[in-house]
Amino acid sequence: QVQLVESGGGVVQPGRSLRLSCAASGFSFSRHAMHWVRQAPGKGLDWVAFISYDGSNNYYADSVKGRFTVSRDNSKKTLYLQMNSLGAEDTAVYYCARDPHSNSWYWFDLWGQGTLVTVSS
Amino acid sequence: DIQMTQSPSSLSASVGDRVTITCQASQDINNYLNWYQQKPGKAPKLLIYDASNLEAGVPSRFSGGGSGTDFTFTISSLQPEDIATYYCQQYHILPITFGQGTRLDIK
Repeated sequence: QVQLVESGGGVVQPGRSLRLSCAASGFSFSRHAMHWVRQAPGKGLDWVAFISYDGSNNYYADSVKGRFTVSRDNSKKTLYLQMNSLGAEDTAVYYCARDPHSNSWYWFDLWGQGTLVTVSS
Repeated sequence: DIQMTQSPSSLSASVGDRVTITCQASQDINNYLNWYQQKPGKAPKLLIYDASNLEAGVPSRFSGGGSGTDFTFTISSLQPEDIATYYCQQYHILPITFGQGTRLDIK
């Protein structure tokens, strides 16, 4: 069925790195731009990063710029988020989300179930 | 960044009530405004895109309106399954930003 499944979350110490994955199925992954959105415990939604359908364009929230890198492997139908220099403020559920368009940002019409990242010593 | 301000932050209503949530942008965003529903422990779900367009499969009791800086989201007849937090989201300019959310429960 049409779905996104995130993985890679867990508990990580401050300053360390973590890579999240998002596996897509049931639709033409390579035709869609993708996003990462996060939600700190008990808080609202925060957009994190965007990547175009072919990976040629990506954009980041200021809070993660220079620390996080979004990438994709269309042959594997998988989206990634490499997170470096993690801090307590990065503790959140991370969602991958599909954009209905290919090369710009609009809305999120399909979401994964989320993966929890906890940054703690 | 464009600030999105929702009101109220929380709301209690009875089954069958008409419920309206507002979302105000800090600058003109045309109609580049979307609405999501998030139930506890679940991922958000797209309900309305481009201010007033109903996403496929979403019940017609949900509707949206507005343009520029002021937007509304309405449930015409509240149902028990509508208990959730609702978020607006703008995509006029990066970074994409969300409202702080409106928590809706049954009176």
